[in-house]
Amino acid sequence: TQLLEQSPQFLSIQEGENLTVYCNSSSVFSSLQWYRQEPGEGPVLLVTVVTGGEVKKLKRLTFQFGDARKDSSLHITAAQTGDTGLYLCAGDAEYGNKLVFGAGTILRVKS
Amino acid sequence: DTGVSQNPRHKITKRGQNVTFRCDPISEHNRLYWYRQTLGQGPEFLTYFQNEAQLEKSRLLSDRFSAERPKGSFSTLEIQRTEQGDSAMYLCASSLEDREVTEAFFGQGTRLTVV
Repeated sequence: TQLLEQSPQFLSIQEGENLTVYCNSSSVFSSLQWYRQEPGEGPVLLVTVVTGGEVKKLKRLTFQFGDARKDSSLHITAAQTGDTGLYLCAGDAEYGNKLVFGAGTILRVKS
Repeated sequence: DTGVSQNPRHKITKRGQNVTFRCDPISEHNRLYWYRQTLGQGPEFLTYFQNEAQLEKSRLLSDRFSAERPKGSFSTLEIQRTEQGDSAMYLCASSLEDREVTEAFFGQGTRLTVV
């Protein structure tokens, strides 16, 4: 079983602060996806990282895939209240065809 | 809108009743997945199809759960003799098979409440 551990589980910060969310595993993944989910809605895909060491930027969000393709991080610069939500990482199992999800990080950005 | 569509959005049922959910994937996607999610947790894999073939089913899925994708297009998920522990959000996602990565796109989910 390939597990993805996310940390922290919960993060409450003030608007304008920076934050980093981590996604770690002992297994190698072909790719990692980051999703954002709002209450009562399905997850929305933010980014896919494929190559070890890859860095992708999406406005104020920076995603990094570890060199060994076992971990990833999401960094948000100058958080806004609209960033509030559940952030999920998901791995494309190297020998499987389904996405395995972490438990998620609940982010609350206060004004 | 050509995204993944799930119906109904909400379902309240009495314990012991059967329920069926429908998922219409993105039209060109040949892979379809079902996940279950409880409050504050990540989605838990249930099963997935490639075209009409069900390729994998979670060991956590009891025999009260069955999924079909008869013509490789829409899919249904049926839960028989519902229990209170079945209360959750049921998510459907679809993806393309010919990509190197599994980039799944999710529907809005069906919220099931068993009373």
